[in-house]
Amino acid sequence: DTEVTQTPKHLVMGMTNKKSLKCEQHMGHRAMYWYKQKAKKPPELMFVYSYEKLSINESVPSRFSPECPNSSLLNLHLHALQPEDSALYLCASSQDNRGVGYTFGSGTRLTVV
Amino acid sequence: KQEVTQIPAALSVPEGENLVLNCSFTDSAIYNLQWFRQDPGKGLTSLLLIQSSQREQTSGRLNASLDKSSGRSTLYIAASQPGDSATYLCAVIKGGGNKLTFGTGTQLKVEL
Repeated sequence: DTEVTQTPKHLVMGMTNKKSLKCEQHMGHRAMYWYKQKAKKPPELMFVYSYEKLSINESVPSRFSPECPNSSLLNLHLHALQPEDSALYLCASSQDNRGVGYTFGSGTRLTVV
Repeated sequence: KQEVTQIPAALSVPEGENLVLNCSFTDSAIYNLQWFRQDPGKGLTSLLLIQSSQREQTSGRLNASLDKSSGRSTLYIAASQPGDSATYLCAVIKGGGNKLTFGTGTQLKVEL
């Protein structure tokens, strides 16, 4: 298995909703990432988990809450989002914390209404 | 702060042409540089990875070069095809880290 699987592919949520994005990989990768990509912009890093511990938080607002239940799973919990948070959320993994073997999922298209 | 720029921002070519995409970065202390392809509304597909000690990598019709001292990389696509139409992104990882810093992207259209 050489894939990173993200669910759901599309999500529409209201500003008072709570939802979660899920990401899964079975490549034995020990680093997992969340990136955010606005339309016609490059992806920007949000969070990094290395060996199941949060190692980087790029000053992301607390309405985004990451969770790494085990080495194969990564979640992003969403609460009280704003319309400007609408974007493509990409999950990625790599073999280790040196970024070797970066593999991206197909993303979740999030719309906040 | 690392800044990564790609030129041109958009490119339209007829099928069969050879083309070059450019990427420049401001901090030469990189661990590696990668080229990705992104189709509209989709995730990223890794095309080529060049370690900082390497000068080039090849895969099929793609060849990527790296000149770390001058802060530049090029992606050469031979005999372009309509299926090559996509946005191409270069990204660097700083030595000792695992954060990808992406370039601004080149939107490529290959026409019949």
